[in-house]
Amino acid sequence: DQQVKQNSPSLSVQEGRISILNCDYTNSMFDYFLWYKKYPAEGPTFLISISSIKDKNEDGRFTVFLNKSAKHLSLHIVPSQPGDSAVYFCAAKNEGGSEKLVFGKGTKLTVNP
Amino acid sequence: DGGITQSPKYLFRKEGQNVTLSCEQNLNHDAMYWYRQDPGQGLRLIYYSQIVNDFQKGDIAEGYSVSREKKESFPLTVTSAQKNPTAFYLCASSSLGGRRRNQPQHFGDGTRLSIL
Repeated sequence: DQQVKQNSPSLSVQEGRISILNCDYTNSMFDYFLWYKKYPAEGPTFLISISSIKDKNEDGRFTVFLNKSAKHLSLHIVPSQPGDSAVYFCAAKNEGGSEKLVFGKGTKLTVNP
Repeated sequence: DGGITQSPKYLFRKEGQNVTLSCEQNLNHDAMYWYRQDPGQGLRLIYYSQIVNDFQKGDIAEGYSVSREKKESFPLTVTSAQKNPTAFYLCASSSLGGRRRNQPQHFGDGTRLSIL
């Protein structure tokens, strides 16, 4: 039972354009969401997060949008750069529960020069 | 530099052998975690610990054991009971509770375990 789903295994965009990575979740108790970026043979790096009391959080080129009614969040990267090419993981946590994170399977983003 | 150190980076296990993966953090984080990543898969939680001398099973704890004798250390032992141990193992840590709720987990660079 996959509680966090990233339905697109891969995404390819042109440098300078927008990258949109999507994530859906099924557990309505999740109320804190994170995006991680991962290069091969390295650990994931925290990118940006959002609490369920917000619908948008922005940090430089990265913006996360949360639609609670649809149980959907997305990560926008504008403008995309070749160095953004990596696997992006969506993760969720139940704020009232333990510190456990539930991860999606990841989306591999390729930004072409 | 503050961070999480995992060692070794590559590890080979013979059939029937136990191996231990090291994870050390100097971030003064209370909580530590072990994840396993398989190709095309997300990260799956093996064990986690929120305080010294206490730990909890994650989603795939069978065939693994941990200890938390010191705040900064959380070693993972892959026992011979784990029949499919080949994977990329990631250790993470985070702050807990109080005014520091909702702190992200920070990860080490992983250990790749293979079977000889």
